[in-house]
Amino acid sequence: AQSVTQPDIHITVSEGASLELRCNYSYGATPYLFWYVQSPGQGLQLLLKYFSGDTLVQGIKGFEAEFKRSQSSFNLRKPSVHWSDAAEYFCAVGERRGSTLGRLYFGRGTQLTVWP
Amino acid sequence: DTEVTQTPKHLVMGMTNKKSLKCEQHMGHRAMYWYKQKAKKPPELMFVYSYEKLSINESVPSRFSPECPNSSLLNLHLHALQPEDSALYLCASSQDRGYYEQYFGPGTRLTVT
Repeated sequence: AQSVTQPDIHITVSEGASLELRCNYSYGATPYLFWYVQSPGQGLQLLLKYFSGDTLVQGIKGFEAEFKRSQSSFNLRKPSVHWSDAAEYFCAVGERRGSTLGRLYFGRGTQLTVWP
Repeated sequence: DTEVTQTPKHLVMGMTNKKSLKCEQHMGHRAMYWYKQKAKKPPELMFVYSYEKLSINESVPSRFSPECPNSSLLNLHLHALQPEDSALYLCASSQDRGYYEQYFGPGTRLTVT
C-alpha cells in the first residue's frame, strides 16, 4: 500500500520569507503526485500535480514542487510567502493502475502559520 | 465552471434521525467521491463512483448509504449515526476515475448529537 509522509506538522514563517514543505512517499513505481491546500472549514484546492516529464512543476499562487525520484520526495516551495498562504497543506499520491485506481493517499498535513 | 456544490453547509442531527447530504457538479465529470475529514486530519476516502456505478467502498459502515442518481449528482444518506461520525464531509469529482485532478466542494459540517 502507498504511504505518504509529511514530517512537519506545523511550520511558522515570516511574511516574505521562503518556504519549503516536505513530502516523501513509499511506492514501487512513480505515482501521480499532488499538493492540495485547505483553508479552515473549506474544501481542498489543487495547487499542482506531477504526472511525468519535467521534474520541476509550477502551480497556482506562485508555488512550485520538485519531484526527486532518488529520494522519493515531492517538496513544495514558494520563494516569498504571503499572509494569505496560511492554511493546511496536504501532499497526496495516486496509483497509476490497479483496483485502487482513483484512490488518493494523503499525508497527515502541514499547518502553515505566517507571521506579519 | 469548476465548481462542486454541497448542501447543506451545516447539519445537526440526532442519532435516530435520517438525513441526506447532496453534492452536485456540472463539469461533465464521470467520477465522484465522498470523503470524511476529522479535525486536524487528512481526508479519508469513503466511496468512489465511476460512471454512476460504485467502484470503491472503503469498508464504510452501512449507516452511510451513497447514491448516484445521475452523472451530476451524488447523495450520501445518513441513518442511525454515532457521535463519532461528526466530521466535515467532502465531495469531489474528476474527469474520470483515473484522473486524479479532483475538484473538491466546500464540505458539509455534520454534528451528531
